[in-house]
Amino acid sequence: DGGITQSPKYLFRKEGQNVTLSCEQNLNHDAMYWYRQDPGQGLRLIYYSQIVNDFQKGDIAEGYSVSREKKESFPLTVTSAQKNPTAFYLCASSKTGIISGNTIYFGEGSWLTVV
Amino acid sequence: AQSVTQLGSHVSVSEGALVLLRCNYSSSVPPYLFWYVQYPNQGLQLLLKYTTGATLVKGINGFEAEFKKSETSFHLTKPSAHMSDAAEYFCAVSGDGANSKLTFGKGITLSVRP
Repeated sequence: DGGITQSPKYLFRKEGQNVTLSCEQNLNHDAMYWYRQDPGQGLRLIYYSQIVNDFQKGDIAEGYSVSREKKESFPLTVTSAQKNPTAFYLCASSKTGIISGNTIYFGEGSWLTVV
Repeated sequence: AQSVTQLGSHVSVSEGALVLLRCNYSSSVPPYLFWYVQYPNQGLQLLLKYTTGATLVKGINGFEAEFKKSETSFHLTKPSAHMSDAAEYFCAVSGDGANSKLTFGKGITLSVRP
């Protein structure tokens, strides 16, 4: 079945470590996104990519990095510079990068906890 | 700039009662409007969306929403709540053009009492 796969589902990070969250999609979508979700704050956009080898910062990009070397993959690295990384992270994709009325489809999410 | 306001963080209804979740938006261009549902520890699933045309939009699981431009609202309703409707609901807005993004509200948790 087509969809978006995020891994791992749960991840624990020690302070000072970088961690990478994986996101793979087989929907043949051009655009991919990373959102962060905190209780009571809705979803906030971290990074997005409208096409392979190109990506843009979202609203809260500081302390995060991404790459888009393949159409189906958009990994997110949470660096040690991110001061409060404990959150639920959601990867998403859409057919094109022009949102307009396009639907954004979401993965199942990854929980990151700093210990 | 665009924004979404979902008043209140929690709504509780009895099973079989009307569900009404409010959403107001602000957008400088004609908006595209979405409602998503999120069950615990899962991603978001699209319930319905308004793009153009008919202002009353029907979605999955018996939900519908009406776009009212004069009130800048897109409230979500369901005539009769079911226990399985208990979840978090997000309203979102996007504009048009190459740089449009999807902006989410803070979400509303719906509880359904037996």
